[in-house]
Amino acid sequence: EVQLVESGGGLVQPGGSLRLSCAASGFTFSSYWMTWVRQAPGKGLEWVANIKQDGSEKYYVDSVKGRFTISRDNAKNSLYLQMNSLRAEDTAVYYCARGRGLEYWGQGTLVTVSS
Amino acid sequence: DVVMTQSPLSLPVTLGQPASISCRSSQSLVSSDGNTYLNWFQQRPGQSPRRLIYKVSNRDSGVPDRFSGSGSGTDFTLKISRVEAEDVGIYYCMQGTYWPPWTFGQGTKVEIK
Repeated sequence: EVQLVESGGGLVQPGGSLRLSCAASGFTFSSYWMTWVRQAPGKGLEWVANIKQDGSEKYYVDSVKGRFTISRDNAKNSLYLQMNSLRAEDTAVYYCARGRGLEYWGQGTLVTVSS
Repeated sequence: DVVMTQSPLSLPVTLGQPASISCRSSQSLVSSDGNTYLNWFQQRPGQSPRRLIYKVSNRDSGVPDRFSGSGSGTDFTLKISRVEAEDVGIYYCMQGTYWPPWTFGQGTKVEIK
């Protein structure tokens, strides 16, 4: 059974940093692109970033470029999102998902940026 | 960026009746490889999204056959043949042909009358 479990969310002040993690199991992690998607409170879905199987390609939505970094550790079956210079508008539930087609999703982790 | 526009944004339906959601893209989603990367997702209240349909019309494993996807080019439709109570939620289309970014529609809220 495919499982994706996010962690690392919490309350952070504007300008602060957080590192999200996604632990994957039930599939060969190193064989899949991985994606982060976020959902602001009461809003729709927004694609944030994704990363190729070997980490050689990474893509970001314009609003997070230069502030967020996606990475992965295939030996640990884990996906990460380092978020720096956080803003109020980054407040959202962050989901990790398998593949560019988002065929499986985790339960999400809430990031709140507020003073 | 490709803009995805869904309609309606709110869809009250009667149990057992059909429902239809439209999704239009700002440019054709036919890829250079001949595929059309248009997916549909369901998000039930309080839950994570779940993919229902990929590449326009292919149902994911475990998705009831009352859900179907169709369309081509810029116009796509998700149909529920007979709405059940568990179908309440928000439905999103997403394109993966022109990236980055991958883009979602605004979402359509399906509720029971």
